Amino acid sequence: GAGVSQTPSNKVTEKGKYVELRCDPISGHTALYWYRQSLGQGPEFLIYFQGTGAADDSGLPNDRFFAVRPEGSVSTLKIQRTERGDSAVYLCASSLHGGMGMGTEAFFGQGTRLTVV
Amino acid sequence: AQKITQTQPGMFVQEKEAVTLDCTYDTSDPSYGLFWYKQPSSGEMIFLIYQGSYDQQNATEGRYSLNFQKARKSANLVISASQLGDSAMYFCAMRVSPGYSSASKIIFGSGTRLSIRP
Repeated sequence: GAGVSQTPSNKVTEKGKYVELRCDPISGHTALYWYRQSLGQGPEFLIYFQGTGAADDSGLPNDRFFAVRPEGSVSTLKIQRTERGDSAVYLCASSLHGGMGMGTEAFFGQGTRLTVV
Repeated sequence: AQKITQTQPGMFVQEKEAVTLDCTYDTSDPSYGLFWYKQPSSGEMIFLIYQGSYDQQNATEGRYSLNFQKARKSANLVISASQLGDSAMYFCAMRVSPGYSSASKIIFGSGTRLSIRP
């Protein structure tokens, strides 16, 4: 597609429920990133994929959070047993590749606003 | 530890003036990349400018320039001739890689909220 697409744009769920957030990156981008952003703060790194594999998942806060990218394109962030503290905007981004240099900037989707009530 | 620090939570600037947004970074990797992003109230993240750690010259993109001082580990964003539409959050970011991999993630600072006065 023309840009990074995230669905849904808004998600309200009850505490304890399971949610899935989807990210469709720019076609041909091999690197994909997930971030969490709370109001007035910078994006907090969660996980980074290079192709199908998670190259760095050091930002996942606990084992309730999991992400996959089975075919190296679309990615799904999965949150089990949601808690009110999980409420935030979840941003997905993609870049042409994960190396250094010009042209490696990340392009962001519009985000999914998750509210846990 | 790899970290981005933005010490200015908020700034007010008169329209048409130049403004400098501060960013310092910490990494032990010899190779890294520095970015600036703009996030208007609409929430989208807009890429502005990139500087590589081995680049000899400061990056420029239109009204944006990056004042890269490697020895001081600073990468300040300079916006010339500010406009009302520049009012937004600005984030400094760094591409960092673990020592065992050439793949690299991007980490962000806490941001500076810039407000342009007419």
